Amino acid sequence: AQTVTQSQPEMSVQEAETVTLSCTYDTSENNYYLFWYKQPPSRQMILVIRQEAYKQQNATENRFSVNFQKAAKSFSLKISDSQLGDTAMYFCAFTPGPLNSGYSTLTFGKGTMLLVSP
Amino acid sequence: GAGVSQSPRYKVAKRGQDVALRCDPISGHVSLFWYQQALGQGPEFLTYFQNEAQLDKSGLPSDRFFAERPEGSVSTLKIQRTQQEDSAVYLCASSPRLAGSSYEQYFGPGTRLTVT
Repeated sequence: AQTVTQSQPEMSVQEAETVTLSCTYDTSENNYYLFWYKQPPSRQMILVIRQEAYKQQNATENRFSVNFQKAAKSFSLKISDSQLGDTAMYFCAFTPGPLNSGYSTLTFGKGTMLLVSP
Repeated sequence: GAGVSQSPRYKVAKRGQDVALRCDPISGHVSLFWYQQALGQGPEFLTYFQNEAQLDKSGLPSDRFFAERPEGSVSTLKIQRTQQEDSAVYLCASSPRLAGSSYEQYFGPGTRLTVT
């Protein structure tokens, strides 16, 4: 079974600063995918960034980037130039590639509440 | 285009009542997922449909929970004889590909169920 651990229940950052959210996972699979999802107070969850385990290069999406350390099973999210609209719950999620069954499902961490203040 | 929609957005049920939660996925999406999200927690997997086939229901907490997607589009999650521990937000998500890929899941706004 896969587990995803987010050890920071809450984080605070001031506007324009940089913040890093931590995530570790446990799996015996070699092929898998990692995601960061954002859930603003309105509750609709949206994808922030994804990483394929076979790609060594860290994924980036504008102000969002990841530090993927496969050996350490670590997948942290860095948000640069934080904006008030970044205030949300952030969930790290993991899925192995298709298993013998032909599919696999997402496992989420418990989330980190990020508050961006002016 | 339209995203994933869910109805109702809020539901209050008395303990013992049956409830039905509806999910309208993005048109053409093959995969549909239901999750249960307790307050302050991450979503927990309930069940997975690939078109009309329910391939995985391992996350359903009890036999009071039942889900269907008869025509491979709209899905309904039914909870019979609701209990207080069923109070949570129920999220639906859809994806254009089979589960277990790099493709993102598109989430609906959720249904907040409160059992009194």
